[in-house]
Amino acid sequence: GAGVSQSPSNKVTEKGKDVELRCDPISGHTALYWYRQSLGQGLEFLIYFQGNSAPDKSGLPSDRFSAERTGGSVSTLTIQRTQQEDSAVYLCASTLTSGGPSYNEQFFGPGTRLTVL
Amino acid sequence: GDSVTQMEGPVTLSEEAFLTINCTYTATGYPSLFWYVQYPGEGLQLLLKATKADDKGSNKGFEATYRKETTSFHLEKGSVQVSDSAVYFCALSVPGGGADGLTFGKGTHLIIQP
Repeated sequence: GAGVSQSPSNKVTEKGKDVELRCDPISGHTALYWYRQSLGQGLEFLIYFQGNSAPDKSGLPSDRFSAERTGGSVSTLTIQRTQQEDSAVYLCASTLTSGGPSYNEQFFGPGTRLTVL
Repeated sequence: GDSVTQMEGPVTLSEEAFLTINCTYTATGYPSLFWYVQYPGEGLQLLLKATKADDKGSNKGFEATYRKETTSFHLEKGSVQVSDSAVYFCALSVPGGGADGLTFGKGTHLIIQP
């Protein structure tokens, strides 16, 4: 079946503008994760959803970042008033479930490359 | 908190050379350990994993052994190919903690020359 998809693949925006990044997980996967890949920080875990719920938002870099998931499927990551340091590749991953006694493999999307000018 | 440290790149080798990429970790619980690979222009893919001490993960000629005593999970391959050129990430996750979010190392860029 189809893998995790993300859109747009590339986004160039001006400092101060808001952006929305979209993730479509693999059908039937209940858990969804957002990561950020940047040159200085490597890969950072941002937030995860089990169903539509995000129990812990402490990984989001600032209050300009928010994420939601509706219908247990598509998720959007919104960055308000973008700054140049937000430039990075934003990766989404999904897995069957989370929090169980054993690891469920995370399947990653191709990412959205965000450039803030 | 949890962390992963891996050797900085780029690592440049000739085809058929032996590869080792070092990875060490610190974790608050009993982690599962992973190597992910990112080929040019592609997304992250799971290369191999190990979920308990002394387990050996293997795939595509790559191997890594979970060493609890040295908190290490070094990646090895006996004879690399040009097609192995990619960025390799060591990662951990502590199952049962609720999130299963992966903690990644910063990645090692591997370049294999013909």
